[in-house]
Amino acid sequence: LAKTTQPISMDSYEGQEVNITCSHNNIATNDYITWYQQFPSQGPRFIIQGYKTKVTNEVASLFIPADRKSSTLSLPRVSLSDTAVYYCLVVRGSASKIIFGSGTRLSIRP
Amino acid sequence: EAQVTQNPRYLITVTGKKLTVTCSQNMNHEYMSWYRQDPGLGLRQIYYSMNVEVTDKGDVPEGYKVSRKEKRNFPLILESPSPNQTSLYFCASSSPGAENTEAFFGQGTRLTVV
Repeated sequence: LAKTTQPISMDSYEGQEVNITCSHNNIATNDYITWYQQFPSQGPRFIIQGYKTKVTNEVASLFIPADRKSSTLSLPRVSLSDTAVYYCLVVRGSASKIIFGSGTRLSIRP
Repeated sequence: EAQVTQNPRYLITVTGKKLTVTCSQNMNHEYMSWYRQDPGLGLRQIYYSMNVEVTDKGDVPEGYKVSRKEKRNFPLILESPSPNQTSLYFCASSSPGAENTEAFFGQGTRLTVV
């Protein structure tokens, strides 16, 4: 599975839009890009998944360029409760192996 | 409500005393897995199961056993726990599918081995 690289930490303020970029240069044709959120001492929670172009749900948007070697998770108008670790993963649809990287620790300030 | 349930949530035990952490899911998922999370090391997969009676090692299987006799349950067994197995453990389940690989995680089990 492709390795992912994302910033170790980011800071922002309430009400701002936050974009977290992830690189996955070795992504394969049948891989999907998936993002999870984790609060301290809780299990990771699925946020969004995409294959190409743009995907939007009630929580976030995911932008994937044509070459799929990177992706950007966009969180609109963040609040203090969005302070968490965000993981970018490349997942093969037919596999049960999900490999977590170090994630991005996002801190939101008032 | 779709959920993955782990028990116990907290456990303190002594070295060498066998223990089992249970995991149950109500979504009829084929895939189940166990992870441990340690500061600075992130989430690492211990074992996974692709269906009943089918299990395989993850990245850090040493010192652990699993079984999958029923689809909904996937217990994690520590035959002889040691202090280096002190960690936060998560069970997860998912269903195979190219378009939706969402995994559901349990609330976690914080294990301390003294």
